[in-house]
Amino acid sequence: GDSVTQMEGPVTLSEEACLTINCTYTATGYPSLFWYVQYPGEGLQLLLKATKADDKGSNKGFEATYRKETTSFHLEKGSVQVSDSAVYFCALSLPGGGGADGLTFGKGTHLIIQP
Amino acid sequence: DAGITQSPRHKVTETGTPVTLRCHQTENHRYMYWYRQDPGHGLRLIHYSYGVKDTDKGEVSDGYSVSRSKTEDFLLTLESATSSQTSVYFCAISEAGQVGETQYFGPGTRLLVL
Repeated sequence: GDSVTQMEGPVTLSEEACLTINCTYTATGYPSLFWYVQYPGEGLQLLLKATKADDKGSNKGFEATYRKETTSFHLEKGSVQVSDSAVYFCALSLPGGGGADGLTFGKGTHLIIQP
Repeated sequence: DAGITQSPRHKVTETGTPVTLRCHQTENHRYMYWYRQDPGHGLRLIHYSYGVKDTDKGEVSDGYSVSRSKTEDFLLTLESATSSQTSVYFCAISEAGQVGETQYFGPGTRLLVL
């Protein structure tokens, strides 16, 4: 079936370090890809997305590029801040159901940034 | 922020009792979803709705039912709660259910079944 795989962590970094959170997917068809972020005690909010191959999503200094050849959508940031500490979810949605089937999520990566 | 509220925000109940969680939106979006979040599983879809009185099952629908009598409200019912249904429940909405469309999430309901 369709699935998303990402490192679970926790991933602990120092402030201003470079970040990469790997995300790979398995899907029948051509999905749209998303990164959602969940801050402590809150719901999920969209961080960025890409809807076709080679698209780059970006927001708040985070970037991810949709790589069809490697079925990946890795999240990157050049210099992390303490406020980036959160859980990050990679997700996909597929055509066919018109996206109405909901999102398929990875298990989430807990990111901890130390001052 | 999308106008999505969930109630209650926290609930403790006992095994075998019925529980209803409510999701309310003010965005007039057509699609609404219920997910559960568990450690090591991420979020998994329980049920979704594509209009008033139109609902369908998701990946983990056993033990749950839903109803949508108005565009703005989507109810999730646990007919007879079990300890395995202890979880955090999130409601989400999207405008048209299209691929690539953003889903907006509510703040969540934390449910503990004793």
